[in-house]
Amino acid sequence: EDQVTQSPEALRLQEGESSSLNCSYTVSGLRGLFWYRQDPGKGPEFLFTLYSAGEEKEKERLKATLTKKESFLHITAPKPEDSATYLCAVQAGTGGFKTIFGAGTRLFVKA
Amino acid sequence: ETGVTQSPTHLIKTRGQQVTLRCSSQSGHNTVSWYQQALGQGPQFIFQYYREEENGRGNFPPRFSGLQFPNYSSELNVNALELDDSALYLCASSSLAGDTDTQYFGPGTRLTVL
Repeated sequence: EDQVTQSPEALRLQEGESSSLNCSYTVSGLRGLFWYRQDPGKGPEFLFTLYSAGEEKEKERLKATLTKKESFLHITAPKPEDSATYLCAVQAGTGGFKTIFGAGTRLFVKA
Repeated sequence: ETGVTQSPTHLIKTRGQQVTLRCSSQSGHNTVSWYQQALGQGPQFIFQYYREEENGRGNFPPRFSGLQFPNYSSELNVNALELDDSALYLCASSSLAGDTDTQYFGPGTRLTVL
């Protein structure tokens, strides 16, 4: 069964304290891995799509990397406005474009 | 912000009632996916519509049904509402091309079932 697990569930950082969020996945035939940011009561905001192991993408203070079993979202020198829930999702297999999400990591950045 | 809009923003229903949620997709997109997100959880895939046909379905009962219209807008209908249906319902639009479907989400509809 396709599965996505994110860790930690919650992460508290001081402003400027860099860290990484983990997304491990078990799927048959990865088509793409996605990172989203979600603020409370709002829809997820698209950040990155990664397609194959070794791929990296960057946007401002965020950098996403992908291996054959997991993806990392690295946050460099975070600011309070980076506080949000970060969701990881995968599309896999040959059964159409079903997207499977993890439960998310809630990030709190204190000034 | 994406061009995906959803209505209504909030909705309160009682158990056993029926509800219709609406979604307008981003310009140029031909695919709509619906998700249910319970508090503190990730979104759960309900189904996807591509060019007015259902293109995949998650583990939801038949009382969850949908439609996509020629302008690619969409509706999610839920019959015989249960208390556990209380959640944020998200619509995501995309343009199916190649091997991967990058989806852009609307703001969601918060449904409360009493």
